[in-house]
Amino acid sequence: GAVVSQHPSWVICKSGTSVKIECRSLDFQATTMFWYRQFPKQSLMLMATSNEGSKATYEQGVEKDKFLINHASLTLSTLTVTSAHPEDSSFYICSATDRGIYEQYFGPGTRLTVT
Amino acid sequence: GQQLNQSPQSMFIQEGEDVSMNCTSSSIFNTWLWYKQDPGEGPVLLIALYKAGELTSNGRLTAQFGITRKDSFLNISASIPSDVGIYFCAGQQYSGGSNYKLTFGKGTLLTVNP
Repeated sequence: GAVVSQHPSWVICKSGTSVKIECRSLDFQATTMFWYRQFPKQSLMLMATSNEGSKATYEQGVEKDKFLINHASLTLSTLTVTSAHPEDSSFYICSATDRGIYEQYFGPGTRLTVT
Repeated sequence: GQQLNQSPQSMFIQEGEDVSMNCTSSSIFNTWLWYKQDPGEGPVLLIALYKAGELTSNGRLTAQFGITRKDSFLNISASIPSDVGIYFCAGQQYSGGSNYKLTFGKGTLLTVNP
């Protein structure tokens, strides 16, 4: 149980375009989902926390207008990188927590390359 | 912001050897976790520590939560080639509402020579 999937697993887009990444909890209801970014050989950095049905809370330094997060249901959150630039190229990982359980279950990540 | 200092940054060991890594923080965390990440994958939880001073084992893995709630170590005994990967410590803190957020260490890259 407690499986989180991400789609796509990798994506290449051109500079200036937008790309959407999906995060799904497959066998549980995720009251909260988290989005992380990981640059090569670096740690995971929390970008934002999203609760189902409410606006996401962004970490300091993360542009909310550039990284749009939607958590419309208890099993799906999306991250849209708008007007992507090469410096947005990174590994994006989501995680989710079950109702009343605080352990975060991580997805397999999405590799974004902006050319 | 908060930082977790994780050491060592990398380790090269022979199969069968034991390995130890640790994390320290200037902040107190209510929960401490250790994760393993394989290349191109998300992190997988290895051990979670909830009480100060707690010592917990998971197979060949042993971890302890420091008395001050500001540090932790992870030991791996009798290493095998599949132990290769990046190990992260993470501290969990209440962040408002019903949310808890994680702060990760910089990771320890473990290489095991067969």
